[in-house]
Amino acid sequence: AQTVTQSQPEMSVQEAETVTLSCTYDTSENNYYLFWYKQPPSRQMILVIRQEAYKQQNATENRFSVNFQKAAKSFSLKISDSQLGDTAMYFCAFIENNAGNMLTFGGGTRLMVKP
Amino acid sequence: DTGVSQNPRHKITKRGQNVTFRCDPISEHNRLYWYRQTLGQGPEFLTYFQNEAQLEKSRLLSDRFSAERPKGSFSTLEIQRTEQGDSAMYLCASDLRGGIGEQFFGPGTRLTVL
Repeated sequence: AQTVTQSQPEMSVQEAETVTLSCTYDTSENNYYLFWYKQPPSRQMILVIRQEAYKQQNATENRFSVNFQKAAKSFSLKISDSQLGDTAMYFCAFIENNAGNMLTFGGGTRLMVKP
Repeated sequence: DTGVSQNPRHKITKRGQNVTFRCDPISEHNRLYWYRQTLGQGPEFLTYFQNEAQLEKSRLLSDRFSAERPKGSFSTLEIQRTEQGDSAMYLCASDLRGGIGEQFFGPGTRLTVL
């Protein structure tokens, strides 16, 4: 069974600082996809960044980047120059290539960006 | 296109009543997903459709739950004989077959069972 673990229920960071959110996952498959989704308070979930397991290069989207360690089954999210609008729940999620494209989510990390 | 929409946004019902939620996906998306999210937790997969065919159902989807997507466009999720444990946010998402990419989520329907 797939599992996704986010070990940090809550985190806070000062505006303009950098923060890293942790995620580990478990799978016996070699082909899969990893995602970070953001869920702002009372707003819908949006994709932040994704990583294909066959790609060695870490994905980057503007201020967001990942550290993908396939052997360790680790997929952390780094947010640089944190902004107040980054305050949200962040979910790590996982899709196996042959598993019908349904997402398996971790329990989430609540991030608070402080002014 | 304004994205994935869900109605109603909030539903309060008494235990034992039936409720139905609707999801309208992004028009060109042929895959539609339902997830359930309880307070403080990550979403859990319930079921998904490719066009009108329901291709996968989670064990979380008890026989009191039924989902349909009759014409491959909008979908409904019905819960019969609601229980307090059904209280949750029900999320709908859609995407386009052929890619392992971004699922676009709706705002959710928050169900409270009294």
